Amino acid sequence: QVQLQESGPGLVKPSQTLSLTCTVSGGSISSGSYYWSWIRQPAGKGLEWIGRIYTSGSTNYNPSLKSRVTISVDTSKNQFSLKLSSVTAADTAVYYCARTSIVATMIRFDPWGQGTLVTVSS
Amino acid sequence: QPVLTQPPSSSASPGESARLTCTLPSDINVGSYNIYWYQQKPGSPPRYLLYYYSDSDKGQGSGVPSRFSGSKDASANTGILLISGLQSEDEADYYCMIWPSNVVVFGGGTKLTVL
Repeated sequence: QVQLQESGPGLVKPSQTLSLTCTVSGGSISSGSYYWSWIRQPAGKGLEWIGRIYTSGSTNYNPSLKSRVTISVDTSKNQFSLKLSSVTAADTAVYYCARTSIVATMIRFDPWGQGTLVTVSS
Repeated sequence: QPVLTQPPSSSASPGESARLTCTLPSDINVGSYNIYWYQQKPGSPPRYLLYYYSDSDKGQGSGVPSRFSGSKDASANTGILLISGLQSEDEADYYCMIWPSNVVVFGGGTKLTVL
């Protein structure tokens, strides 16, 4: 059973770059035709899709964040990562990673990591 | 990006049915998209429930009870999550989602209270 776990600093200063890693266990990140996504949720608010990556390195980003986001994958470590630059307090959120299935017109996020809280503050 | 409108809150009693709605903007036809639903309980990540396109094209998440079902109201340009036989464990936040133009969009969520 595939499990995902986010890791990274819980506190980032404004204007700096937020960096998180998602470690996939219980299966190879390269097996199957899965994408791997980042999604965030500010406290008490809704979900926002950040972007996704395929193991080939192909990415898709939310247009609202595209200029600041980089998602990468390291298949040798069974990990994928998120970098979000020039952060502000508005980027404070719980960040989730999720395995993403895309089949024709179907997209599904399952499973998800437990999430990690990142606070942007000086 | 489109905005999906969900009522902030809804409530119903155990055993009753809850009908949660997700209204799409007028420039996006609900009939053209899969509507996805996720459930989130406090302190936990969202859980995939189901998707609905039509009665002949729908799918349930693994382990999701058949009490959860989807539908659409084309006249209101709305996706619907129906939960029948409400149980206390159904108390949670529910998010709808669509996938237009290769961008994922979530609704703001509805907090369902089981009275």
